[in-house]
Amino acid sequence: DAGVIQSPRHEVTEMGQEVTLRCKPISGHDYLFWYRQTMMRGLELLIYFNNNVPIDDSGMPEDRFSAKMPNASFSTLKIQPSEPRDSAVYFCASSFRELVPFFGQGTRLTVV
Amino acid sequence: QKEVEQNSGPLSVPEGAIASLNCTYSDRGSQSFFWYRQYSGKSPELIMSIYSNGDKEDGRFTAQLNKASQYVSLLIRDSQPSDSATYLCAALIQGAQKLVFGQGTRLTINP
Repeated sequence: DAGVIQSPRHEVTEMGQEVTLRCKPISGHDYLFWYRQTMMRGLELLIYFNNNVPIDDSGMPEDRFSAKMPNASFSTLKIQPSEPRDSAVYFCASSFRELVPFFGQGTRLTVV
Repeated sequence: QKEVEQNSGPLSVPEGAIASLNCTYSDRGSQSFFWYRQYSGKSPELIMSIYSNGDKEDGRFTAQLNKASQYVSLLIRDSQPSDSATYLCAALIQGAQKLVFGQGTRLTINP
C-alpha cells in the first residue's frame, strides 16, 4: 500500500487567497484525521471523519477552515481566506476502526 | 492544563546510554497511549503503544504506564545517533477516536 498520500507537499500563497489541501487515505481505512503542526502549538487535531462523516470538528480554528470527505478515498481541507498565522505543516492521517492513525507526509503551507 | 504534557527538551544523551522520555496526561479515563517518533521534516511514525499498567518492551524500547499517577514514559536503551528525533506522546481520549498529542521532546544522541 502506498500509505496516506497528501498533495501538494509544499504550498506558498499570498494572504487572502484560497488554499486547498488534499488527502488520499489508506484503502480500507474508515477514519480520517486532519492535524496541524506548529512550533508554538505542537500537533493539533483539527477534524476527523468516520465513514466519510465528520465526527468532531471542535479543533477547527475558525470558519475560514472547512473540510470535506466526499468519498472514502478523498478528503480536502480548505482555508479561505488564508492568513499568515495559518502557516504550518498540515498532516492527514487515517486508521482502521480504533487502531492508531498512520500519517501522510504532510503539506507545508506558507502564507505570505 | 494541556491534555498531554511533555518536557520539550532538548534532551541530550551520550551514545550507548539510556534515554528517558516522560509524559503526563489529564484525562483519567484515557486507556490507550502511544509514542511516535518524528524526524525533522518528516511525519510522525508510531513506535510503541501501551494499554495497561506496567512495562512493555520492544527491542531497545520500553514503554511504561502508571495510570494512578497518569504518567507514561519511554526508555530507549543503548541509544544510537539515529534515535535523535522528536518523540511525541499521545493519549486516546475516552469515548472518542481522538488522539491528543503532547508538544514533543526533542532528543539528541551525542556520538
